[in-house]
Amino acid sequence: SQTIHQWPATLVQPVGSPLSLECTVEGTSNPNLYWYRQAAGRGLQLLFYSVGIGQISSEVPQNLSASRPQDRQFILSSKKLLLSDSGFYLCAWSVIWGQPQHFGDGTRLSIL
Amino acid sequence: QKEVEQNSGPLSVPEGAIASLNCTYSDRGSQSFFWYRQYSGKSPELIMFIYSNGDKEDGRFTAQLNKASQYVSLLIRDSQPSDSATYLCAAYFGNEKLTFGTGTRLTIIP
Repeated sequence: SQTIHQWPATLVQPVGSPLSLECTVEGTSNPNLYWYRQAAGRGLQLLFYSVGIGQISSEVPQNLSASRPQDRQFILSSKKLLLSDSGFYLCAWSVIWGQPQHFGDGTRLSIL
Repeated sequence: QKEVEQNSGPLSVPEGAIASLNCTYSDRGSQSFFWYRQYSGKSPELIMFIYSNGDKEDGRFTAQLNKASQYVSLLIRDSQPSDSATYLCAAYFGNEKLTFGTGTRLTIIP
């Protein structure tokens, strides 16, 4: 069966520090991968998605970036965090377009 | 702008009653619809998906899709306190991106 791993679960970072969140999927090949952010009490905002290695589509202009160095690995990064980057970051995968997306446990990021 | 809209609630339902959650979408061409449950502080969990007009049942959950009217609903029968959560409706609008509604907060009253 397929599983998705996301870490860390919780992160507290100072403003201006770098960020790296990692997500890996097991049990499937060439999944579509997604990064979302959910601000407190708000809906899900799609940040990036990828349909293959090295292929990244960005949805929202911001100081975040994403990379997919391997088939089942998706990384969210920032060089300098802003206060507005606080939120709940979720990685998700799907087999193909039109199919359900399945979420990791998320990373709660607090910026001080 | 392709959107999915939900009433934010909160929706309060007595234990044992039927909870009815509704969602409308803006793109008549949408083909795939999903309901996720999200407990406070947790990630969304897929509970139902529906692709065809009509009803789809899974245990206490029934998803209903009406493409002509562009709405999808979720019925929860015999509501339990453990059903208290935020329910997210989502749809694909012809690309790889899944568009989510802002969610309806459901509270089951014992």
